[in-house]
Parts: sequence; C-alpha cells; structure tokens
Amino acid sequence: QSVLTQPPSASGTPGQRVTISCSGSASNIGGNYVTWYQQIPGTAPKLLIYYNHQRPSGVPDRFSGSKSGTSASLAITGLQSEDEADYYCAAWDGSLSGPVFGGGTKLTVL
Amino acid sequence: QVQLVQSGAEVKKPGASVKVSCTASGYTFTDYYIHWVRQAPGQGLEWVGWISPSNGGTRYAQNFQDRVATTRDTSNITAYMELSRLTSDDTAVYYCARGGQYCSGGRCYWHSFDYWGQGTLVTVSS
Repeated sequence: QSVLTQPPSASGTPGQRVTISCSGSASNIGGNYVTWYQQIPGTAPKLLIYYNHQRPSGVPDRFSGSKSGTSASLAITGLQSEDEADYYCAAWDGSLSGPVFGGGTKLTVL
Repeated sequence: QVQLVQSGAEVKKPGASVKVSCTASGYTFTDYYIHWVRQAPGQGLEWVGWISPSNGGTRYAQNFQDRVATTRDTSNITAYMELSRLTSDDTAVYYCARGGQYCSGGRCYWHSFDYWGQGTLVTVSS
C-alpha cells in the first residue's frame, strides 16, 4: 500500500495530451515539493520533474508538473510512443521523515 | 557527468545478509546524501534509507529499521547498504540514488532523486 495514490494505468494515442494524478496528504504533498520519475521497464527510474514543476536539463517541455493542495499532476502533451513507461510521483513525508512514492502509473501509447 | 555504479547481482539464502555497493563519480561525494530505493518484481518503488557521506549520519524507513545498515567509504567514494535476515520478500532490485537538495536557513532538504545507479538484483532463494 503506497502512501501516495496514483491510478494504476493511463493511455492515449500519439499526439494526445494525458495527465496522471497523484494524491497525498498534508504531511507529504501538502507541505513539500513533488517530484516525478519515468521508468522504462528493465531500467532505472529517471527524474522528470522536481520542485513540483521544474524539468531537469534534457527533459522535453512536453512534460509538465503541477501541484494544488494535497494533489499533484503530471501532464504529457504531444504523446509519443517512446513515452510508454511507468510513472511515479514522490514527495517528502514529514511524519515519516523520509520520501514516499505513489504506486506508479503504467502509461500505454495506443 | 554524475554517475553511480552499483555492484553486481547477488543470490542469497533466507536468513543471510547482502551488501550492495554504490560508487559515485562526477561530483563531490560528500555534498549529497545517498539514498537506497528498492523495487520488488512487478512492484513499485520503496524507499529504504539514506546516508550522509559527509558525516555518516543515517536514517531508515520503519520497515527496515532493525535490519538495514548504510555505510560509506569516502576515500573510495562508495556507499554501501547491508540488509540482514533476508527473506524471499526481499527479492528486489536495489537502487542507490543521489538526493537532490535545496538549502534554506542553514539547513538542506531533499527535493528529488536526481541521479540513479543501474540497480542491483538481489534474489533470495533456498
């Protein structure tokens, strides 16, 4: 049982816009920055978003993050086949004194 | 460029211990915490704990508190995670990750895992 809640799956066709939600509580998302990771099966996760909405160098601007209250979202515009992967949200949890993850969302590009 | 290179796959029997290494390069080792995250087959990510390479301070997730230890060797720019009393539930890929941080008011705070090792598969089987 993950501390943060994500939908298990999402899908879209090439060129579409998809969003993935991440729900938490005051002790994690509500009071701390949210971060997002992309994991292609068989590889290590890769940082996509930090500080709720900042992209590291090299991450396309098709990926964007937002946060409101105790929820956050990752949006992917202009969906491409290479975006098919698992996506995880994470945030620091002040009650647990450590980072917590969502259960992950498997994105399928139809 | 920042790199974290982990040790190779391990096969252990139930009740044994395993020690995984993570060698850093491309940045000042003592400036960033090293975290450990694991992923069981077909499952999500789970934070295990962290170590401060500068002073050796550690913190662990409650699930692992009594059987995990993280250490570091600053001369070899390597962090280690040792997990003891292994069971089949510990079968997973173990990742080390650098803790991206921001500092404010004289303290630094985690904001992401900005670089990851390639992962080490630990299989626990009799």
